[in-house]
Amino acid sequence: EIILTQSPTTLSLSPGERATLTCRASSSVTNFVAWYQQKPGQAPRLLLYDASDRAAGVPARFSASGSGTDFTLTISSLEAEDVAMYYCQQRGSPVASFGGGTKVEIK
Amino acid sequence: EVQLEESGGGLVKSGGSLRLSCVASGFIFSNFWMNWVRQAPGKGLEWVASINGDSKYKYYAASVRGRFTISRDNAENSLFLQLTSLSVEDAALYYCARSYRSGMDIWGQGTTVNVSS
Repeated sequence: EIILTQSPTTLSLSPGERATLTCRASSSVTNFVAWYQQKPGQAPRLLLYDASDRAAGVPARFSASGSGTDFTLTISSLEAEDVAMYYCQQRGSPVASFGGGTKVEIK
Repeated sequence: EVQLEESGGGLVKSGGSLRLSCVASGFIFSNFWMNWVRQAPGKGLEWVASINGDSKYKYYAASVRGRFTISRDNAENSLFLQLTSLSVEDAALYYCARSYRSGMDIWGQGTTVNVSS
């Protein structure tokens, strides 16, 4: 089973700042990584898939990169509505898995 | 409108069983891999199981393998999860989700499973 480790656990930034979230896999998942946003009381929302492709309707301030074992989600200019939990997920093996999540807060 | 709706959750005693259902609408159900994902209260997301369009391939998380069974009925646009030998650690909100490329693009609102000891 591939383990995904997300860091930091919590990220506290001011509006307009750049947010960088990382996800490290215990073994290579090629580019089969997706990122999700989850707000309290809501189902997760797919933001990006295949490591860097933005899902429909996702604002351009969300971008992602990476391959192999190291992946990054970037929010270029943080907005109040971006306060949420963010999860990475891998599909590099038939047994999928999620990271533990990063909580993004507004300072 | 593309949507998923789960049902079948409830309160069950430890060691008991439950069958969850998810009805899909607005897309050609048989063309997609489908998944179950769960979230314990205050915790993160945990992938549970996946099944391909013709039910030939099924995969499970180690934590549920041998106890849970994923299945589908394409004629009824329905996905199922049979839960057996339940423990308190299985208590969670269970989501069904549609696969899209490496991600899951459509999610239901979930159905809650509570397990009493």
